[in-house]
Amino acid sequence: GNSVTQMEGPVTLSEEAFLTINCTYTATGYPSLFWYVQYPGEGLQLLLKATKADDKGSNKGFEATYRKETTSFHLEKGSVQVSDSAVYFCALVSGAGSYQLTFGKGTKLSVIP
Amino acid sequence: DGGITQSPKYLFRKEGQNVTLSCEQNLNHDAMYWYRQDPGQGLRLIYYSQIVNDFQKGDIAEGYSVSREKKESFPLTVTSAQKNPTAFYLCASSPLSGLPRRTDTQYFGPGTRLTVL
Repeated sequence: GNSVTQMEGPVTLSEEAFLTINCTYTATGYPSLFWYVQYPGEGLQLLLKATKADDKGSNKGFEATYRKETTSFHLEKGSVQVSDSAVYFCALVSGAGSYQLTFGKGTKLSVIP
Repeated sequence: DGGITQSPKYLFRKEGQNVTLSCEQNLNHDAMYWYRQDPGQGLRLIYYSQIVNDFQKGDIAEGYSVSREKKESFPLTVTSAQKNPTAFYLCASSPLSGLPRRTDTQYFGPGTRLTVL
């Protein structure tokens, strides 16, 4: 079956530090990959996505590249801000006729001034 | 504005009572979903529906029920059979694409926090 493994948090960084949150996956077929962000007390928001190998998704300074050879989709940002403090979820959908997203357990990021 | 609304934002229930959480979307999406989120946990799928008048159980359907009488609406009832219902509940919707059809990006509502007293 499909699965997503994220690095365990919490992750604490100083403002302007470089961020990497690792995500690896197991999937049948050719999955689409997603990063979602959840701010405290809110629902999830799509941050970025990639639908095929070597695609790079980007949004708000965040980037992730779909690496088929390493089955990874690591999230990066060059300079984090306090407002980036949130929980980040990696997810995938795979398989013809699939209606379910498979989520990782989430990584909590705290950015301190 | 297009989007997904959930109501209420906070809900309190006494033990033994059923309670219904509302979810409405005006995105014209075919599929709708209910997830449960516990503190420090990921998301677990309760029920989903790809089309009106049809729905399927997710990973943790016991103690919950749903209906899909309209494309825009997918209410979730938490019954007294649910042993530990205190949690954050998230509704989502998505378009379906491809042949055979499958989900694409899921869009989430703001959530309902249910507390059993």
